[in-house]
Amino acid sequence: ETGVTQTPRHLVMGMTNKKSLKCEQHLGHNAMYWYKQSAKKPLELMFVYNFKEQTENNSVPSRFSPECPNSSHLFLHLHTLQPEDSALYLCASSQAGTSGGAPNEQFFGPGTRLTVL
Amino acid sequence: AQSVSQHNHHVILSEAASLELGCNYSYGGTVNLFWYVQYPGQHLQLLLKYFSGDPLVKGIKGFEAEFIKSKFSFNLRKPSVQWSDTAEYFCAVNPLRFGNEKLTFGTGTRLTIIP
Repeated sequence: ETGVTQTPRHLVMGMTNKKSLKCEQHLGHNAMYWYKQSAKKPLELMFVYNFKEQTENNSVPSRFSPECPNSSHLFLHLHTLQPEDSALYLCASSQAGTSGGAPNEQFFGPGTRLTVL
Repeated sequence: AQSVSQHNHHVILSEAASLELGCNYSYGGTVNLFWYVQYPGQHLQLLLKYFSGDPLVKGIKGFEAEFIKSKFSFNLRKPSVQWSDTAEYFCAVNPLRFGNEKLTFGTGTRLTIIP
């Protein structure tokens, strides 16, 4: 496996279910990200982990709970979601903290298409 | 609110036409700028990026973009498009005062190339 992988690729869940999204990066990066992609809206940054520490929580509701056990794995735990949470959830990774403000290219996974009924 | 604007939501062109997609941002200070592309059924991938130096940057597949600081713009261009350029294109900005992790994306432009 190379790059950034995400599982599952598709998920349908009810509002009372609990599920988790998984992301794994094989690039040796130190930062990982969760984004939400909804139709006709910009990609929304949800969470950033840098060296396994959460450095950004972009006002995300508590029904989304991230976990980063090591620099290669990132989870998004979901519980009591709402239908408006249906979207494509993208994971990305990068080598953050490069000196001199050099561009921090983020590599994206294929996403998990989530439908909340 | 600080943001990234892509005014063209859907662009339809014939093959061999020239392309220019607009991107404007509202952040002050030093920024890193990116264009990402998402081909149908594929991952988001980097097309090109601007860090410093020559404001005209070249990317993959014949794309280029020009950073015009006075206009807060980073427009994407290609002189002659191909059917395989059909995709969604996203502009993204990293305001460096937030560190180099935070990327803010535009809403994207869907490009359809007619053979």
